[in-house]
Amino acid sequence: ETGVTQTPRHLVMGMTNKKSLKCEQHLGHNAMYWYKQSAKKPLELMFVYSLEERVENNSVPSRFSPECPNSSHLFLHLHTLQPEDSALYLCASSQDPTGSGADTQYFGPGTRLTVL
Amino acid sequence: GQNIDQPTEMTATEGAIVQINCTYQTSGFNGLFWYQQHAGEAPTFLSYNVLDGLEEKGRFSSFLSRSKGYSYLLLKELQMKDSASYLCAVRDSNYQLIWGAGTKLIIKP
Repeated sequence: ETGVTQTPRHLVMGMTNKKSLKCEQHLGHNAMYWYKQSAKKPLELMFVYSLEERVENNSVPSRFSPECPNSSHLFLHLHTLQPEDSALYLCASSQDPTGSGADTQYFGPGTRLTVL
Repeated sequence: GQNIDQPTEMTATEGAIVQINCTYQTSGFNGLFWYQQHAGEAPTFLSYNVLDGLEEKGRFSSFLSRSKGYSYLLLKELQMKDSASYLCAVRDSNYQLIWGAGTKLIIKP
């Protein structure tokens, strides 16, 4: 299943570095999501884009900056991160986030981020 | 606030049956999802319930009671490959998914 791909799979960065995470979906979906997954904690929704417009920003620190150039691609730009930002960052896509029905989210494999 | 509760960890034996419970308190309800996540991998969709009752899909079944704010995932004829985390999520009135912390299921021979 390669419907949603993410690169890189692993990233180690210092607190002063700038890096970007990339997500691409091949499912023809209209919405894309960034989640943070920390050990033994619920998935935290960070950003939602629907038809390339940001519709959700759950009080995420400004050191995380999303970009959605088109409906198939999503980026998460990282700068001056903290060690507590170390986590698995998951990208997901779905067809219609505000419509009726299941609107299942399909996830990428994630980027394991370590901030030193 | 919104809350999803599920057990942190469960252990079961290969070939047996296990039930993973999920209780929720959310602002509105637009469906409940179960996902499976193997270690180091992406969560994958298992089931969706929006009406009360049991949905069966092969060895896996999911039950919902909206009046009780309760769901369970039932896994039959357990196999070693079923060792994974199982995530419960509820779509609230804003169509946002609220996630539980997941239940780690350990299958023993």
